[in-house]
Amino acid sequence: KQEVTQIPAALSVPEGENLVLNCSFTDSAIYNLQWFRQDPGKGLTSLLLIQSSQREQTSGRLNASLDKSSGRSTLYIAASQPGDSATYLCAPSVGGGKLIFGQGTELSVKP
Amino acid sequence: DAGVTQSPTHLIKTRGQQVTLRCSPKSGHDTVSWYQQALGQGPQFIFQYYEEEERQRGNFPDRFSGHQFPNYSSELNVNALLLGDSALYLCASSPISGSSYEQYFGPGTRLTVT
Repeated sequence: KQEVTQIPAALSVPEGENLVLNCSFTDSAIYNLQWFRQDPGKGLTSLLLIQSSQREQTSGRLNASLDKSSGRSTLYIAASQPGDSATYLCAPSVGGGKLIFGQGTELSVKP
Repeated sequence: DAGVTQSPTHLIKTRGQQVTLRCSPKSGHDTVSWYQQALGQGPQFIFQYYEEEERQRGNFPDRFSGHQFPNYSSELNVNALLLGDSALYLCASSPISGSSYEQYFGPGTRLTVT
């Protein structure tokens, strides 16, 4: 059974810092992994999709890496801004598009 | 291009009642998945529909059922509501019933059971 853990559970940083969010999963047999952002009470916004054959993906100030063999993914956010404040969720796909989610990392970026 | 849409936005029901939630997938997508997100938790997979059939199901009781229509839109039905069914219900769509495609989520329906 796939289990996903995200560390830290919460993070508060001053504006401008570079930061890393961690995601670990117990079963390396995944098809891809997505990182999402969720604002309070809202739906999920897809940030990055990494296929199982890829090592990393970049979009603007975001960079996500994937190490399938060790069951780890990281989301790197460069030059953080107050608008980045949200909960970040990682979700590996275990087949047929079924996503398994961690509990997320709640990020607060202070001006 | 409209993304994934869900209705209603909010819903309040009484324990024991039944509820129907609706989802329209992103244009060009034919697979719809439903997730339940309790407060402070990550979303949990309920089931997935493709070609009007349930293709995968998570660990949810039979009180949770669904349907997909020929236009790919979908409904989630929950019978005999319990207080514990209070949650944000999210719908996701993807291009085909495959494992390598990006999932797009709707804004969710907030269900409160009193």
